[in-house]
Amino acid sequence: NAGVMQNPRHLVRRRGQEARLRCSPMKGHSHVYWYRQLPEEGLKFMVYLQKENIIDESGMPKERFSAEFPKEGPSILRIQQVVRGDSAAYFCASSSYNSPLHFGNGTRLTVT
Amino acid sequence: EDKVVQSPLSLVVHEGDTVTLNCSYEVTNFRSLLWYKQEKKAPTFLFMLTSSGIEKKSGRLSSILDKKELSSILNITATQTGDSAIYLCAVEATDSWGKLQFGAGTQVVVTP
Repeated sequence: NAGVMQNPRHLVRRRGQEARLRCSPMKGHSHVYWYRQLPEEGLKFMVYLQKENIIDESGMPKERFSAEFPKEGPSILRIQQVVRGDSAAYFCASSSYNSPLHFGNGTRLTVT
Repeated sequence: EDKVVQSPLSLVVHEGDTVTLNCSYEVTNFRSLLWYKQEKKAPTFLFMLTSSGIEKKSGRLSSILDKKELSSILNITATQTGDSAIYLCAVEATDSWGKLQFGAGTQVVVTP
């Protein structure tokens, strides 16, 4: 059952380090989304990508955060110079045209 | 600004009870309303509603959308302990495909 695959499940980084989160969409899905869930808060949209294109990054912080979905390989969410406030669960979702989003199990990032 | 409000925030019921969860929304150019169930990991897709007054059912779960009242309800009948989870409501606008606006969720605890 090839659902949305995210890795790692847990990631610990010290302040100032880089975090790389990976996401492989469900088979047949060409749309990838990243969401963030802060403690005690709801899921918040960050970015929407298709292969080699960023479609909507209106929810992405302007600095230190970037996302890509290359022609080959998984989508990557990259956070540079992490700070404690970046500690959260990061969920990836995928969909095909006109279908609901299916979410992965998330990556729990802890910044120490 | 788009807004999704869920009520109640939490509730505790006994196995066998029926639960009704509420979701009200404000969104420009409504496209769809979605319900997800979140246990410890991935939000799991339950229903996608686009048309008013048409009930969607899956086993003991059902949901209906009221576009006039800008709201939706999710019903769970004959609850089981496995229904314990956070239930998330989200809305999508026509010009923001995949960019879901989530509510804070309703935490349901089903006791034996």
